[in-house]
Amino acid sequence: DAGVIQSPRHEVTEMGQEVTLRCKPISGHDYLFWYRQTMMRGLELLIYFNNNVPIDDSGMPEDRFSAKMPNASFSTLKIQPSEPRDSAVYFCASSTRTGAGTGELFFGEGSRLTVL
Amino acid sequence: AQSVSQHNHHVILSEAASLELGCNYSYGGTVNLFWYVQYPGQHLQLLLKYFSGDPLVKGIKGFEAEFIKSKFSFNLRKPSVQWSDTAEYFCAVNALNRDDKIIFGKGTRLHILP
Repeated sequence: DAGVIQSPRHEVTEMGQEVTLRCKPISGHDYLFWYRQTMMRGLELLIYFNNNVPIDDSGMPEDRFSAKMPNASFSTLKIQPSEPRDSAVYFCASSTRTGAGTGELFFGEGSRLTVL
Repeated sequence: AQSVSQHNHHVILSEAASLELGCNYSYGGTVNLFWYVQYPGQHLQLLLKYFSGDPLVKGIKGFEAEFIKSKFSFNLRKPSVQWSDTAEYFCAVNALNRDDKIIFGKGTRLHILP
């Protein structure tokens, strides 16, 4: 299995531009999570999907952020317009259910976003 | 909402020293617990997990963690650290029968001196 695949690995953009981050989860996994990692806040859960349906987006910072999962093998996280404070590493992770709870998360390599 | 606290933000040890990283969570029900490790420049990977059964769990690379339900704790230990253990360590919790979120602590940066 190729693991969780994220693109781009690095993105440098200017304030006000639209940014789209992409994720391909592990085949057969029915959960997909988007996290943001910064020095100040650590790993923050932004949103997660179960069977392609957004379940909890309470971690999405504001309306400039949106996420979609049109099918089981693809998800996007979009920031429009981007701001310097959005600079972070964005991780996608996928998982399956284990017993009564969520099992191990498999993380992608991350997308390092720099907004100038 | 559930939360995870990691008490040590930055730990510096010499090789062969013993390690214990603290983790406490705030949820009174049943939980799945995890420790993840992030080596410099890499993505997070699972170190060990607790779902049920023996509260002392063993993971990769000689790490272990003990779940103490009465203390809401899941501390990570290693008897003798190596330089290659230099990394950031994250504790995480999933509150069963509540939601499917996995919430992470802020992480502990471990630096091992050769």
